[in-house]
Amino acid sequence: AQSVSQHNHHVILSEAASLELGCNYSYGGTVNLFWYVQYPGQHLQLLLKYFSGDPLVKGIKGFEAEFIKSKFSFNLRKPSVQWSDTAEYFCAVNAGGGYNKLIFGAGTRLAVHP
Amino acid sequence: GAVVSQHPSRVICKSGTSVKIECRSLDFQATTMFWYRQFPKQSLMLMATSNEGSKATYEQGVEKDKFLINHASLTLSTLTVTSAHPEDSSFYICSAGLEAGTYNEQFFGPGTRLTVL
Repeated sequence: AQSVSQHNHHVILSEAASLELGCNYSYGGTVNLFWYVQYPGQHLQLLLKYFSGDPLVKGIKGFEAEFIKSKFSFNLRKPSVQWSDTAEYFCAVNAGGGYNKLIFGAGTRLAVHP
Repeated sequence: GAVVSQHPSRVICKSGTSVKIECRSLDFQATTMFWYRQFPKQSLMLMATSNEGSKATYEQGVEKDKFLINHASLTLSTLTVTSAHPEDSSFYICSAGLEAGTYNEQFFGPGTRLTVL
């Protein structure tokens, strides 16, 4: 069965620090990959997605992610975090199937201190 | 664009009663809607996928008789938790699929917090 692993459950950073959140998935075929963000009290929002093409994708708010097929990874990065980036981040995979369902990782809670 | 609403945002009910949660796509038509459950500090677990005009497809381990899903129109899906018990207390989130090429990109609602006493 497909699965998604996020290795960092809770990350604490100071403002201006660099961020990298790990995401690995298990599926041997073609995948679509996503990072979602959930700010406190708000609904899930799409940060970025990878379908095909350039494995380095850029999303909103200065985030980017790199798809490394050989490592089954899709890590999220931001060079300099802000306090407003405090949120929970979810990696998700769509591994095909009839209805394009998403499999989510457990999430990483990021706290950015001023 | 691509806004999804849920109603109610919070509901408290007594054990044994049924609760209906609505999910609406406000500015687009969604042939496919998804229902998730999110436990505290955990990820979203897909419960079922519903397509307009047909029966929902439930994930393994989800009781279809307990979690009734109806997708009567292209903008509305409902989840009814029947004979709710305290263990059904959770955060329920829906998403609506918007076709983007060969893929249905999902847009998420704000969620409904259900508390069963």
